[in-house]
Amino acid sequence: EAGVVQSPRYKIIEKKQPVAFWCNPISGHNTLYWYLQNLGQGPELLIRYENEEAVDDSQLPKDRFSAERLKGVDSTLKIQPAELGDSAVYLCASSLDGLHTQYFGPGTRLTVL
Amino acid sequence: KQEVTQIPAALSVPEGENLVLNCSFTDSAIYNLQWFRQDPGKGLTSLLLIQSSQREQTSGRLNASLDKSSGRSTLYIAASQPGDSATYLCAVRNFGNEKLTFGTGTRLTIIP
Repeated sequence: EAGVVQSPRYKIIEKKQPVAFWCNPISGHNTLYWYLQNLGQGPELLIRYENEEAVDDSQLPKDRFSAERLKGVDSTLKIQPAELGDSAVYLCASSLDGLHTQYFGPGTRLTVL
Repeated sequence: KQEVTQIPAALSVPEGENLVLNCSFTDSAIYNLQWFRQDPGKGLTSLLLIQSSQREQTSGRLNASLDKSSGRSTLYIAASQPGDSATYLCAVRNFGNEKLTFGTGTRLTIIP
């Protein structure tokens, strides 16, 4: 069974440019998470979806970040415009529901120049 | 607000030794605690999950313990191997909240 798939794996952009990350969760997993991981830190939750509904987006900087999970499967996280401080690894995870083990993708490493 | 701390930030030990990684948390009203492993450039892999009603969980050479009253968990690795080199993160989930709060991790290096 395939794990959580993320693309791209690496992205380098200049500040003020837009960027988008894509995540395909494990088949049958209703809950999807986007995390931000800064160097030397643990992941921090940005947004959690239950099917297509965003049930926790309290940590998402809504002035520049947006996310969607159309049809309750794949998800896209967008930043527009990107700032230097957005350089980090963006991790996607999925689980059967909010209480089961989360399975993580390999992440997208973003560098903003 | 739950805060999770892992000390030390980095640890190097010779191959074959047994070792203990530490995790502490400030709010003892947890639903469960998980230990993850993260290899460079990779995502996180769940190692062990301890429910709040449990004291420990074991998987192979790994044993995780939980003491809610003191806000501590330990991950014991027996007979360490070079392949155990990675960053180990603990994460807690509080009751009524599906969010995981992660520690900053311990970077473990096993010296051949």
